[in-house]
Amino acid sequence: AQTVTQSQPEMSVQEAETVTLSCTYDTSENNYYLFWYKQPPSRQMILVIRQEAYKQQNATENRFSVNFQKAAKSFSLKISDSQLGDTAMYFCAFMKILVLGQGGKLIFGQGTELSVKP
Amino acid sequence: NAGVTQTPKFQVLKTGQSMTLQCAQDMNHEYMSWYRQDPGMGLRLIHYSVGAGITDQGEVPNGYNVSRSTTEDFPLRLLSAAPSQTSVYFCASSYSGTSGHNEQFFGPGTRLTVL
Repeated sequence: AQTVTQSQPEMSVQEAETVTLSCTYDTSENNYYLFWYKQPPSRQMILVIRQEAYKQQNATENRFSVNFQKAAKSFSLKISDSQLGDTAMYFCAFMKILVLGQGGKLIFGQGTELSVKP
Repeated sequence: NAGVTQTPKFQVLKTGQSMTLQCAQDMNHEYMSWYRQDPGMGLRLIHYSVGAGITDQGEVPNGYNVSRSTTEDFPLRLLSAAPSQTSVYFCASSYSGTSGHNEQFFGPGTRLTVL
């Protein structure tokens, strides 16, 4: 069974600085997806970034980037130039690639509460 | 597109009562799922469906029933509510397959309290 672990329950960062959130996972699969989701106080789940395991290049989306270390089973999220609107709970999630027609089940970590301070 | 909608947003039940949480999507997604979110535990999969007429259990299915009679709707039924089912419930949908178009879109959630 797959597991996802986020070892930092809470973090804080000053506005405009950089912060890195950690995530490790355990799987015997070779092909899978990894995701970071953001959950602001509104409770809405928002996809931040996605990484396909077969891609060696780390994914980036504007101020958000990942450090994907497949052998170490590590998937950290770096937020550059932190903004007050980045304050949220962040979840790391794993999804095994299934055969066509079977969709995908997400396995979530426990979450990291990020506070961006002015 | 409305995306994924859930009703109600909030609900309070007494132990033993039954209710149905509604979920609908207008994106023609084959895959739909229900998660519950509890403090310190992230989101856990309750039930999922890969298409109309097909459902399966997730990680924490006990106490919940689902059905999928149409592509658009995926209701979650609590047959006899228990305090342990106090949680926030999320419905999600996505395309089904391996093409990479598998981003799951989440509804706004339902906060359920069972007294």
